[in-house]
Amino acid sequence: NAGVTQTPKFQVLKTGQSMTLQCAQDMNHNSMYWYRQDPGMGLRLIYYSASEGTTDKGEVPNGYNVSRLNKREFSLRLESAAPSQTSVYFCASGAGALYNEQFFGPGTRLTVL
Amino acid sequence: RKEVEQDPGPFNVPEGATVAFNCTYSNSASQSFFWYRQDCRKEPKLLMSVYSSGNEDGRFTAQLNRASQYISLLIRDSKLSDSATYLCVVRGSTLTFGKGTMLLVSP
Repeated sequence: NAGVTQTPKFQVLKTGQSMTLQCAQDMNHNSMYWYRQDPGMGLRLIYYSASEGTTDKGEVPNGYNVSRLNKREFSLRLESAAPSQTSVYFCASGAGALYNEQFFGPGTRLTVL
Repeated sequence: RKEVEQDPGPFNVPEGATVAFNCTYSNSASQSFFWYRQDCRKEPKLLMSVYSSGNEDGRFTAQLNRASQYISLLIRDSKLSDSATYLCVVRGSTLTFGKGTMLLVSP
């Protein structure tokens, strides 16, 4: 089992460019999550998907969109990147109830110039 | 009071020492509690869930005090490999992560 995988590992964008971060899990989990982690701050939830076909906003959704493509895949899109979106992005999946134990991918380090 | 609060550290301890971290939370309706471990530039990994009665996993012991709204993590016989940041995570209507406590174990 690969667990949770994310691509790309690193990305540099210019302000205004768009990109999609990919995430996939092979643990047959229902829920999936996107977080960002900034220095000196805890992980903050951007969007989540409780099950295939549903998505909901988290704490910091502005500037992002998501797609739950199927049970395995949950992508995060930045339509017009801004320097404030420079961060490390983690995807996670969870078994059982929403917001229960979660398993994280290795992260994507994004820099927006 | 912040939702989830941790002492950022770093806690510097020698190998073999016992070290304890506390974490306070503000939402008395919080339902579940977890400790995650995060190595430098890596993803968080679940260390253990925290149960009302307290629980132990090898050298690690977690306790929950609902009356005072804090959870604790005790690490006995510290190893060099325990050096990491320990994240306190609280589940209420959502999942809230603390900023973490850094532990450095030295030879």
